Amino acid sequence: SQQGEEDPQALSIQEGENATMNCSYKTSINNLQWYRQNSGRGLVHLILIRSNEREKHSGRLRVTLDTSKKSSSLLITASRAADTASYFCATDGISNYQLIWGAGTKLIIKP
Amino acid sequence: EAQVTQNPRYLITVTGKKLTVTCSQNMNHEYMSWYRQDPGLGLRQIYYSMNVEVTDKGDVPEGYKVSRKEKRNFPLILESPSPNQTSLYFCASSLWGGDEQYFGPGTRLTVT
Repeated sequence: SQQGEEDPQALSIQEGENATMNCSYKTSINNLQWYRQNSGRGLVHLILIRSNEREKHSGRLRVTLDTSKKSSSLLITASRAADTASYFCATDGISNYQLIWGAGTKLIIKP
Repeated sequence: EAQVTQNPRYLITVTGKKLTVTCSQNMNHEYMSWYRQDPGLGLRQIYYSMNVEVTDKGDVPEGYKVSRKEKRNFPLILESPSPNQTSLYFCASSLWGGDEQYFGPGTRLTVT
């Protein structure tokens, strides 16, 4: 299957710092989404960016999409302890609606 | 409250004993999906459904069955569970396939 990849696999930063994680994918997409998961719980949608968009903001989140490089980045500014979670990207292909997920980035915010 | 519910939340069973995990959504969503999550592998899609009576295989459909007889329900059936199906399972729904997914709380299944 064509699975996305997140980078890094794990990230540990101090509270207040910015956190950046990346997602790469293999095929052309309609949309790319980012989700957060707290310790074995259900995933929560953060942001959706369409293939014709380059950047999107939501509160402290900034997502960029580079379709030429087939990659996206999620920036969390001014991190908080509550941001500690795993973050996943998901893409849906042009020819079908099967969602392909990355393996996730585990983010730890140290107080 | 808009939500996706799954039952049971935890299940321990033995190899070969048929089981069903229910999933229900109250948002009138067209699209529903089942995932399994295993350490280091992220989410893998098992089956998805674009609408009533329409289902398609995801990445890992072997050993699973689904049905979509009503819009709100999308049960996952394991006819003969095996230990390699021990996993955390999530049901999700959305208005359409590429839209924001709403996830259920998860079902932790152990097959001994």
